Amino acid sequence: DIQMTQSPSSLSTSVGDRVTITCQASHDINNRLIWYLQKPGKAPKLLIYDASNLESGVPSRFSGSGSGTDFTFTISSLQPEDIGTYYCQQHGNFPITFGQGTRLDIK
Amino acid sequence: EVQLVESGGDLVQPGGSLRLSCAVSGFTFSSNWMTWVRQVPGKGLEWVANINRDGSAKYYVDSVKGRFTISRDNAKNSIYLQMNSLIAEDTAVYYCARGGSDTSWYWRNWGQGTLVTVSS
Repeated sequence: DIQMTQSPSSLSTSVGDRVTITCQASHDINNRLIWYLQKPGKAPKLLIYDASNLESGVPSRFSGSGSGTDFTFTISSLQPEDIGTYYCQQHGNFPITFGQGTRLDIK
Repeated sequence: EVQLVESGGDLVQPGGSLRLSCAVSGFTFSSNWMTWVRQVPGKGLEWVANINRDGSAKYYVDSVKGRFTISRDNAKNSIYLQMNSLIAEDTAVYYCARGGSDTSWYWRNWGQGTLVTVSS
């Protein structure tokens, strides 16, 4: 199985700051990388698909990049509603696997 | 509006069985693959099973193979997860999710989840 390693595991930052989360795959997954945001008690919400494609309706302050084994997720200017846990997920190889999550909150 | 509503979660003893259901509306159900994903409370996400549009192809994570069965009823716009020989490690919130027309590798629409607790 492909292991997905997210970093950092938690992050506390200020409104307006730039936020960067990384996700590393144990094997090449091409661009088959997804990013979700999950708020407490809710289902995950799709933000980015295939590494860099912004899901319809998702604000443009969110972006993703990378290919192969190394991926980056960025929020250009953190807003209060962006708090929650971010997960990466790969679908380059079966079975589908997720990163362990990055918990983001506001200072 | 796309809606997915899970039900059937409960407290069950180790070795027991449970059947989860997911009723969907707001899209042409028979045109989409469907998926179950689970999450141990306070922990990360784990893909559990996929089923194709007509139910002829099913895929499982190794940890549930031989114990769980995914199925669907296109006439009832529903999918199911039959869980047998349950163990403590199966304790989780179970989400159903809508896949694409040809695969189910990531998910735009999710249900609210149903909690399964395996404990004596």
